[in-house]
Amino acid sequence: DAGVIQSPRHEVTEMGQEVTLRCKPISGHDYLFWYRQTMMRGLELLIYFNNNVPIDDSGMPEDRFSAKMPNASFSTLKIQPSEPRDSAVYFCASSLWGASYEQYFGPGTRLTVT
Amino acid sequence: RKEVEQDPGPFNVPEGATVAFNCTYSNSASQSFFWYRQDCRKEPKLLMSVYSSGNEDGRFTAQLNRASQYISLLIRDSKLSDSATYLCVVNGKNQGGKLIFGQGTELSVKP
Repeated sequence: DAGVIQSPRHEVTEMGQEVTLRCKPISGHDYLFWYRQTMMRGLELLIYFNNNVPIDDSGMPEDRFSAKMPNASFSTLKIQPSEPRDSAVYFCASSLWGASYEQYFGPGTRLTVT
Repeated sequence: RKEVEQDPGPFNVPEGATVAFNCTYSNSASQSFFWYRQDCRKEPKLLMSVYSSGNEDGRFTAQLNRASQYISLLIRDSKLSDSATYLCVVNGKNQGGKLIFGQGTELSVKP
């Protein structure tokens, strides 16, 4: 299995620019999660999808953040406009309903906003 | 109160030591419990699930106390390679596939 794939692995951008993070879940998984991790706040769930439908976006910090899942094999997390406080590692994870809820994480995207 | 709380770290132990991590959770309806391991600058990975009767995987033993809403992880004969952050993770009833992660406890095993 290829595992969860994320791109880019690293992103450095200037404040005010649009940032798009991409994720390809494990084939056959029906849940997809976006997390953000910082030293101060730990691992935070931003949003998750079930069968491509957003279920809970209460963790999305503000309107500058948006996420889509147009099909079962692709999701994006967009930040527009980006701010320095958005600097973090963003993880995508996927899981299969009924498989004890184990989530498989991608390698993450390390975002730096200057 | 956080939904999942863990011992603050870091734990610094010598090789061969036994170390225990504790975790409490607030949702009494929680159904599934896990320990994840996260190496520095890497993604979290499942270490082991935690079952009601307790379970063991080599040097690792996990325990669950539903009455006290308490989970533990014991590592025996610790190795340098055990150095990582250990995350206590809980799933809540009727929360679909959502998992709640604790802040993590950092372990550093020294020679």
